[in-house]
Amino acid sequence: GQNIDQPTEMTATEGAIVQINCTYQTSGFNGLFWYQQHAGEAPTFLSYNVLDGLEEKGRFSSFLSRSKGYSYLLLKELQMKDSASYLCAVRDRHKLSFGAGTTVTVRA
Amino acid sequence: KAGVTQTPRYLIKTRGQQVTLSCSPISGHRSVSWYQQTPGQGLQFLFEYFSETQRNKGNFPGRFSGRQFSNSRSEMNVSTLELGDSALYLCASSLNGLENIQYFGAGTRLSVL
Repeated sequence: GQNIDQPTEMTATEGAIVQINCTYQTSGFNGLFWYQQHAGEAPTFLSYNVLDGLEEKGRFSSFLSRSKGYSYLLLKELQMKDSASYLCAVRDRHKLSFGAGTTVTVRA
Repeated sequence: KAGVTQTPRYLIKTRGQQVTLSCSPISGHRSVSWYQQTPGQGLQFLFEYFSETQRNKGNFPGRFSGRQFSNSRSEMNVSTLELGDSALYLCASSLNGLENIQYFGAGTRLSVL
């Protein structure tokens, strides 16, 4: 089965950096996704990791360590529009499982 | 390119009734998956369809079922509704499966009274 843990809430200041951690336990790991979900909207794709290491995409980066069952999403140069829920999702052989999400609040 | 379309957007039903939700995927996408989202449980995987066959399934009771048509459109059915089925039901499409990027629709908000 799946067990995915991520912090419930984080608060940061505009222009700062925030790191959202995700730990997971799974049988048959097949990739890890990060999605962003604004209140009242559908989740949208941010990043995907299947091999160990760092994936960088503009202000967002995601890291994966398969041996540790650990990933993080790094948000740099925070903007007010980055206030949202960030979902970690793990793909195993049979399904895609999501963490409960981390609500990030960006303050001016 | 049109996105994923879900209908209806809102639905109110009473306990014991059944409901059918519809999802039209992005053109060219062959995989459709369904999710239930609630404040307490978060986003939970229901099932995935590919080429009209259920390929993967989450841990939901048999009251939750679905199907996919030859044009990749999908429907989800919930029978004998319970109060706890009140949730946002999201559909997502992808090119070939759960290992690809999932593109989500806006969801159907179901309220069971």
